[in-house]
Amino acid sequence: ELKVEQNPLFLSMQEGKNYTIYCNYSTTSDRLYWYRQDPGKSLESLFVLLSNGAVKQEGRLMASLDTKARLSTLHITAAVHDLSATYFCAVDMSRGSQGNLIFGKGTKLSVKP
Amino acid sequence: ETGVTQSPTHLIKTRGQQVTLRCSSQSGHNTVSWYQQALGQGPQFIFQYYREEENGRGNFPPRFSGLQFPNYSSELNVNALELDDSALYLCASSPGLAYTGELFFGEGSRLTVL
Repeated sequence: ELKVEQNPLFLSMQEGKNYTIYCNYSTTSDRLYWYRQDPGKSLESLFVLLSNGAVKQEGRLMASLDTKARLSTLHITAAVHDLSATYFCAVDMSRGSQGNLIFGKGTKLSVKP
Repeated sequence: ETGVTQSPTHLIKTRGQQVTLRCSSQSGHNTVSWYQQALGQGPQFIFQYYREEENGRGNFPPRFSGLQFPNYSSELNVNALELDDSALYLCASSPGLAYTGELFFGEGSRLTVL
């Protein structure tokens, strides 16, 4: 059974600081996703990583994938309050199709002034 | 705005009732996936429909059923509602089984079972 584990589950940061969220998964997969969710809202797509060594950056967020270690990271640079949200990683378990995502429990990020 | 629309946005039901949730996929998308997200948890895969056929199912009982229509919109039906069915139900559409890009979700339907 595929397991997706995120850590930490809760993260309180000060503005301007850097931090990394880790996502470990237990079996091979060729697609990994990062999503953001604000309270009471749906999932906002941040990144999709498709190959070993993939790195993507958008603003203060950078995601990377190491398929050999079965590890993805989401790095936050110089955090700002607007980044406060819950972040999910998800691994695609589909074979030859897309859509069966296994999600982690999420990392609730709170950025304080 | 992802182009995936869901209805209703909120609804309240009582135990034992039945509910139907609807999802209109983005134009050109023939694949719809449904997820259940309980409060404080990550979403869980319920099932996927591709060209009107079920194409994969998660660990949900048979009282969770679905349909996909010729226009690729989809319904999720839940019979004999239980308190634990209270959750945000999300659907996502994609342009086909070989697609490997981002998966965009609708705004969700929040179901409360009393």
